[in-house]
Amino acid sequence: DTAVSQTPKYLVTQMGNDKSIKCEQNLGHDTMYWYKQDSKKFLKIMFSYNNKELIINETVPNRFSPKSPDKAHLNLHINSLELGDSAVYFCASSQETSGRVRNEQFFGPGTRLTVL
Amino acid sequence: GNSVTQMEGPVTLSEEAFLTINCTYTATGYPSLFWYVQYPGEGLQLLLKATKADDKGSNKGFEATYRKETTSFHLEKGSVQVSDSAVYFCALSKGSGTYKYIFGTGTRLKVLA
Repeated sequence: DTAVSQTPKYLVTQMGNDKSIKCEQNLGHDTMYWYKQDSKKFLKIMFSYNNKELIINETVPNRFSPKSPDKAHLNLHINSLELGDSAVYFCASSQETSGRVRNEQFFGPGTRLTVL
Repeated sequence: GNSVTQMEGPVTLSEEAFLTINCTYTATGYPSLFWYVQYPGEGLQLLLKATKADDKGSNKGFEATYRKETTSFHLEKGSVQVSDSAVYFCALSKGSGTYKYIFGTGTRLKVLA
């Protein structure tokens, strides 16, 4: 009954490889996000999808490509991995509102990516 | 633009001490304000939230009051426990259609027995 799940939890790979991280939410939310958390715990938004449409694309290298096959899934593919990509990647979801009040986000457990 | 500033850590306290983690924000209008907690090896989870001025969010003994006049949302707990050791994030989100949440840099709390 996990709300937001990510796979894999750990990912160790060599520089130059291509890898994917998968995210699924069973909360019925319409918006999903990818965040990158560095070693100092700083959290940076990367992408956001609303109803499968890309709405936030922060300054992220083109090597990162999100894909949302449906509202419940948001995957992250990374090409040509670099040492600096080592971090914890979090998926999150929320239900958007039309009014002023904002709903909270629900986070997955994270995927720790280590690039050697 | 919108931003969140929270006190730098780490904060080290003895068990049963009083906790305050400061958070101030910059935003026009009335953003929704959140505190999230991240326990070691886990994702962030919502601790409490407030959506309008003078609202007080509370959960698990933690409290924070939405202060519009000082643009602050400080987190407090009267008596911390070792199990409260975690990283705490202040965040805001504003308006419809923006879909973006702004997080502070996080404050690590360590509670000693």
